[in-house]
Amino acid sequence: DTEVTQTPKHLVMGMTNKKSLKCEQHMGHRAMYWYKQKAKKPPELMFVYSYEKLSINESVPSRFSPECPNSSLLNLHLHALQPEDSALYLCASSQDTRGETQYFGPGTRLLVL
Amino acid sequence: KNQVEQSPQSLIILEGKNCTLQCNYTVSPFSNLRWYKQDTGRGPVSLTIMTFSENTKSNGRYTATLDADTKQSSLHITASQLSDSASYICVVRRGASRGSQGNLIFGKGTKLSVKP
Repeated sequence: DTEVTQTPKHLVMGMTNKKSLKCEQHMGHRAMYWYKQKAKKPPELMFVYSYEKLSINESVPSRFSPECPNSSLLNLHLHALQPEDSALYLCASSQDTRGETQYFGPGTRLLVL
Repeated sequence: KNQVEQSPQSLIILEGKNCTLQCNYTVSPFSNLRWYKQDTGRGPVSLTIMTFSENTKSNGRYTATLDADTKQSSLHITASQLSDSASYICVVRRGASRGSQGNLIFGKGTKLSVKP
């Protein structure tokens, strides 16, 4: 199984809502990542988890809260988002943080109204 | 400054034709370079990865080259198919003492459209 899955595929939320994005992989990878990608732009790294511990937070606003319940799961909790947070949110995983290849999920298309 | 520049920004070709996408980088120290294919609204999929010592690597109809001296890479697509329509992203990994994936530098991508 070389697949990273993400749910939901699409999400529409208001600025007062609380929602969560989910990511799962069963490749035994110990590094997992959240990226944000705006239209016609490259992905921007948000968070890196290594062995279930947060190792990098690229100065992401606190309205985004990551969680790694176990080595296969990565969540991104959303609260009080702004319209400019609308984007494609990509999850990726790799063997570890030195892994040469990151495997990306299909992404969650988020629209904040 | 560590940067990855891709050209052209967009490209339209007819089905069956060949094309070449370019990637120039100023990332230092260099670790490796990857080409990803990203379909619209989907996650990127790795096509090739090249290290300092590799000049050419093929993956089916995709052939990547790397010139570490001039810091240039190219992705050549042979006999294009409609399904090749996507964005192609060049990603350079900078060697870093902290050894984290925070040192991936993404290019802005080339949007390829293959027309029948």
